[in-house]
Amino acid sequence: EVELLESGGEYVPPGGSLRLSCAASGFTFSDYAMNWVRQAPGKGLEWVSAVSGGGTTYYADSVKGRFTISRDNSKNTLHLQLNSLRSEDTAVYYCAKERAVGGLGSFDHWGQGTLVTVSS
Amino acid sequence: DIQMTQSPSSLSASVGDRVTITCRASQDINVWLNWYQQKPGRAPNFLIYAASRLQSGVPSRFSASGSGTDFTLTISSLQPEDSATYYCQETYGPPYTFGQGTKVEIK
Repeated sequence: EVELLESGGEYVPPGGSLRLSCAASGFTFSDYAMNWVRQAPGKGLEWVSAVSGGGTTYYADSVKGRFTISRDNSKNTLHLQLNSLRSEDTAVYYCAKERAVGGLGSFDHWGQGTLVTVSS
Repeated sequence: DIQMTQSPSSLSASVGDRVTITCRASQDINVWLNWYQQKPGRAPNFLIYAASRLQSGVPSRFSASGSGTDFTLTISSLQPEDSATYYCQETYGPPYTFGQGTKVEIK
C-alpha cells in the first residue's frame, strides 16, 4: 500500500525558510516522479514543483528561485526547501506521487498534508 | 500558462440525480486532463486520467469525456458520499494548472 507522510510544516515569519519532507513507502520510489501541491486556506489546489525519478526538476513561476525540490532515492524521501517565504505561501503542502513510471502531471496518491503558516 | 475554468462553481442535487461538471481549457490540451475529488479536511482523491480513463477503485457511476478544450465529469446517480469539491487539472505542462473547483452538495 502506498503511503506518503509529510512533515516540517510550521509557523514562520515572512522572509524565513523551512524544509518540508515526505517519507514514501509501498512502491519503488526511484521509478516515479514526485510532486508538491499546495492549498491555501479555503482556496483551490496549486501545483508547486515536481522532480522526475532521475532528478529533473520543475517549478511553478510563483515559487521559482525561492523553492528547491529534491529527492533522496536511498531513503525514499522527498524534500521541498522553502526560502524567502511570503504570506501568500501560507498553505497546506501535499506530497503527491506520479501515476505512471516515466509520467508527469498525474497525481494518484497524496499525503495528508503539512501546514505552512507565514506570518509576523 | 494554461487556464482552466470550471462550471458551475457549486451545485446542489438530490441523491440519484445525474450531475455534470464542465471544465474548459484556454488552449487545446488534447486529452491531457485529470479529475480529482476532495472532501473537507482531506487530501484530493484521483478519479479520472487522460480525460476519460477511470482510476482503479473509483465507482463506475463516475465517467468523463472530452478532448481539445472542453471536458465533462458526470456522476450518473449521485450518492451521499459524493458530496465534495471536484477539480479538473491539465497535464499538458509543466506547469500544471487546476480548475477553481466545483462544490457538489446534496439537497
